[in-house]
Amino acid sequence: TQLLEQSPQFLSIQEGENLTVYCNSSSVFSSLQWYRQEPGEGPVLLVTVVTGGEVKKLKRLTFQFGDARKDSSLHITAAQPGDTGLYLCAGAGSASKIIFGSGTRLSIRP
Amino acid sequence: GAVVSQHPSWVICKSGTSVKIECRSLDFQATTMFWYRQFPKQSLMLMATSNEGSKATYEQGVEKDKFLINHASLTLSTLTVTSAHPEDSSFYICSARLAGGGGTGELFFGEGSRLTVL
Repeated sequence: TQLLEQSPQFLSIQEGENLTVYCNSSSVFSSLQWYRQEPGEGPVLLVTVVTGGEVKKLKRLTFQFGDARKDSSLHITAAQPGDTGLYLCAGAGSASKIIFGSGTRLSIRP
Repeated sequence: GAVVSQHPSWVICKSGTSVKIECRSLDFQATTMFWYRQFPKQSLMLMATSNEGSKATYEQGVEKDKFLINHASLTLSTLTVTSAHPEDSSFYICSARLAGGGGTGELFFGEGSRLTVL
């Protein structure tokens, strides 16, 4: 069974601080995605990483795919209250299924 | 971008009744759709993979007779929760894979359907 563990599970920081969320697995994924979800809504795709070692930037968000394609990280610089939400990593695994990580609930205090 | 719509957004039903949730891809064809279940403050749990024109593939521990999935066309998949009980109360989310997505597995999600069983 392919599993994705995220850490931390919950993070509450002050506006302006930096943070990193980790997504780890013992399995190799052909690609990995990061989503952000608001309460009562479906997840919204932020980025897809495909190549081992790949780094993608989306404004203040930096995503990295591990060299072995087993892990990924999301770094947010100068967090803002609008960044608050549930962040989910998801891996494309066997049988074309997308498996979601355990989730990181982020709260940014003004 | 691709749009996936779910209906209803929320539903309240009595214990023992059946509830059908629809998932439609509005501007693209989806040969594969996925159904997820999400409990409060938790991540998404894959329930089943819905394949157009064939039987759904259920994840381990998901009762296929309890959660009936039908994918009759390239734009519609339905999830029917049969004989619903309070423990079936949850947020159900569908997603569809855009065909020809280069193998990256990009999914587009519906808005979710919140089911409350009394």
